[in-house]
Parts: sequence; structure tokens; C-alpha cells
Amino acid sequence: GQNIDQPTEMTATEGAIVQINCTYQTSGFNGLFWYQQHAGEAPTFLSYNVLDGLEEKGRFSSFLSRSKGYSYLLLKELQMKDSASYLCAVRDSGAGSYQLTFGKGTKLSVIP
Amino acid sequence: GAGVSQSPRYKVAKRGQDVALRCDPISGHVSLFWYQQALGQGPEFLTYFQNEAQLDKSGLPSDRFFAERPEGSVSTLKIQRTQQEDSAVYLCASSNQRDTQYFGPGTRLTVL
Repeated sequence: GQNIDQPTEMTATEGAIVQINCTYQTSGFNGLFWYQQHAGEAPTFLSYNVLDGLEEKGRFSSFLSRSKGYSYLLLKELQMKDSASYLCAVRDSGAGSYQLTFGKGTKLSVIP
Repeated sequence: GAGVSQSPRYKVAKRGQDVALRCDPISGHVSLFWYQQALGQGPEFLTYFQNEAQLDKSGLPSDRFFAERPEGSVSTLKIQRTQQEDSAVYLCASSNQRDTQYFGPGTRLTVL
């Protein structure tokens, strides 16, 4: 099975940097995903890591350490529109369906 | 191009009624997933299709839940004799095999 942990809520200031952590325990690993979800909307893909290291995409970066079962999402130059829930999800290598197992999400509030 | 679409966006059902939720995946995507998202939680896997074949239905909570994708494109999730605990957002996602899953806006089901 899978167990994914991430903080429930975070608050950060507009223009600042915030790091959202995710730890996971899995019987098999085939990639970690980060999604953004605004209230009442679909989860939107942000990033994908399958190898250790940092993936950078504009204001968003994601880091993975497979040996530690750890990932983080880094958001730079925060904007008010970044207020949303951020979902960490793991794909299990043993699951032929490639299904994702999600954490409960981290609700980020960006304040002026 | 068009993303994943779902209908209806909102559905209110009386306890005991049957409901049918539709998903139109991104054109050409082989894989289709259904997830259930309770309030304040991350999405939870229900079932997976590869083309018209339902390869994994391990996440369906009871035999009242049934999904089909007869022509390998549009999918329908049917819930029979709805119960209050079925109230949730039902998300559909599609992908090309092991690639990133793209989500639709979801159907918010409320069972009274």
C-alpha cells in the first residue's frame, strides 16, 4: 500500500518563496506528481519526478529523493492566484493501472 | 485542444436513486481513470480503463458502483441506489498509457 503525508495548511506572503513537503511510503515507486487544485476546479498538473533531483519549470520547482521517500514543491515569487490546494501523488510501479495515490493536499493561502 | 470534460457538473439525487456520470476524455488517450474526492481530501482511485477494457476496478467501494467505456472513448460511471456516503466529487482523468493524467472538472454529487 501507499502512505503519503503532506501538511494540511500553509500561509505565505505575496512575493515570497514557499516549500511544500511530501513524504511517502510505497511498496513500489514509478514517479511522483504534483497537482494544483483551486476550489471547485480540476486538479492541474504541475510537475513530475521519477529520478532524484530537482526539476524546474518557471516559478515552480519540484525535488525528489527516492531513498528518503521525500519530495518538495517550491513556489517562488508567490502571487495571490497561487492560493490553492497542492496535491502530492505517487504512482506505484506494481500497479498495472498506473493509478495515482494522492495525499490529502496542502491548502496554501497567499496573503498580501 | 479540448481537455477532459464531464457532465453533469452538479447532480443532486435522493437517497436510493440511480445516477450516471459521463466523462469525455482527451481525444486519442488510451487510459481513463475515475477518482472520488471527498471534501478536504485528495482524490481516491476507483477504476481504470485501457481502451474499452476495464483492467482495474479495485477501488470501487461497493457493487453499487459500475463503470463502462464500451467504445474506448466516452466513459460512464453509474451508481445504483445512492447513499449519503456517496456524496463527493467524481473526477475523471485520461492519459496516454503511463504519461501524465489530465483531469476533468468533476461532477459534484450530493445525495439527500
